[in-house]
Amino acid sequence: AQKITQTQPGMFVQEKEAVTLDCTYDTSDPSYGLFWYKQPSSGEMIFLIYQGSYDQQNATEGRYSLNFQKARKSANLVISASQLGDSAMYFCAMRAGGSYIPTFGRGTSLIVHP
Amino acid sequence: DTGVSQDPRHKITKRGQNVTFRCDPISEHNRLYWYRQTLGQGPEFLTYFQNEAQLEKSRLLSDRFSAERPKGSFSTLEIQRTEQGDSAMYLCASSLASPDRNQPQHFGDGTRLSIL
Repeated sequence: AQKITQTQPGMFVQEKEAVTLDCTYDTSDPSYGLFWYKQPSSGEMIFLIYQGSYDQQNATEGRYSLNFQKARKSANLVISASQLGDSAMYFCAMRAGGSYIPTFGRGTSLIVHP
Repeated sequence: DTGVSQDPRHKITKRGQNVTFRCDPISEHNRLYWYRQTLGQGPEFLTYFQNEAQLEKSRLLSDRFSAERPKGSFSTLEIQRTEQGDSAMYLCASSLASPDRNQPQHFGDGTRLSIL
């Protein structure tokens, strides 16, 4: 069974600072992929970044990077130089092995203060 | 790429009524997913189609819920005899293949269902 855990219900960060959003996962399958999505108050889910279990390097996409620690089963999202528009819900998701369907965590609410 | 389209955006209905939602995926995407999201929670999987075949359904999906994807294009999700607990955002997503770096799921804006 796949499980995603996001333990931070809410996070606050000052504009231009960096912030780390935590995600831990559990799967017995050696092949899996981890996704991060952003959901603004308007509701649409926006894909941010992906990390595969066999990737040699941590994923980066612009201001987003993934701190992937395989042994600890964690895939934390790092947002550098936070902007007011980063205020949103952030969801971690995993698709493992032969499953077609990503499983989502409960999300973390991020508020960026000016 | 016109994105995933869902209709209606909002639906308010009385308890006991039937409701139907529509999802139009990105045109070349053969995989379609329905999720339900309640306040403060992440999307919860409901059902999955590959082309017109419904390949997986969540055990949480009661028999009041049914989904179709005729001809492998748009999909409908019907809820019969709605209950208060059905109030949620219903999200549709599509992908070209099993979701990965190059083929993530693309989500629609959702249909928000409110049961009076």
